[in-house]
Amino acid sequence: GQQVMQIPQYQHVQEGEDFTTYCNSSTTLSNIQWYKQRPGGHPVFLIQLVKSGEVKKQKRLTFQFGEAKKNSSLHITATQTTDVGTYFCGSGGSTLGRLYFGRGTQLTVWP
Amino acid sequence: EPEVTQTPSHQVTQMGQEVILRCVPISNHLYFYWYRQILGQKVEFLVSFYNNEISEKSEIFDDQFSVERPDGSNFTLKIRSTKLEDSAMYFCASTGGNQPQHFGDGTRLSIL
Repeated sequence: GQQVMQIPQYQHVQEGEDFTTYCNSSTTLSNIQWYKQRPGGHPVFLIQLVKSGEVKKQKRLTFQFGEAKKNSSLHITATQTTDVGTYFCGSGGSTLGRLYFGRGTQLTVWP
Repeated sequence: EPEVTQTPSHQVTQMGQEVILRCVPISNHLYFYWYRQILGQKVEFLVSFYNNEISEKSEIFDDQFSVERPDGSNFTLKIRSTKLEDSAMYFCASTGGNQPQHFGDGTRLSIL
């Protein structure tokens, strides 16, 4: 299966600092999806990357898919307290198949 | 915006008892999934369902688990004889096809 490893497991930042979480796989991924889960909430889809080297931005969030399609990153610029939550990467075995999730990075933002 | 709804939000059950978790996927979606998340751990795939049959299941989804779409709107997960290690948050998800999976709020299952 498409196993993804995610680091770090925890990240604590001061509001205004940047944050990055990384996903890595030993195999080539067909796609990478990023989800955010607020404390006590459910995973909410953020974005999907499909192409090698793809970069997408959503306001302060920048998502990258590696050239070899084996790694991905999510970078948040100037974190805010509303960014608190766990960020998961996930990859699908096929368009409609199961999602293989990374362990997630739990982000804490201190005001 | 349409959403996946799950009931109950919290289920407490004695070990060995049967439990049914219910989900109403988004109405025009055709692909349905169950995932679980043990406290503090990652989200794990259980089963996917399409066209009234299981399309894929994980090693977690053993003979104690079953899924059903009893009518045109509900999608259920049954655990026949619950074990302590079944305690987790169970998420239902659905998609219309080549779209991201939309997750429900989850059911927290506590086995005593």
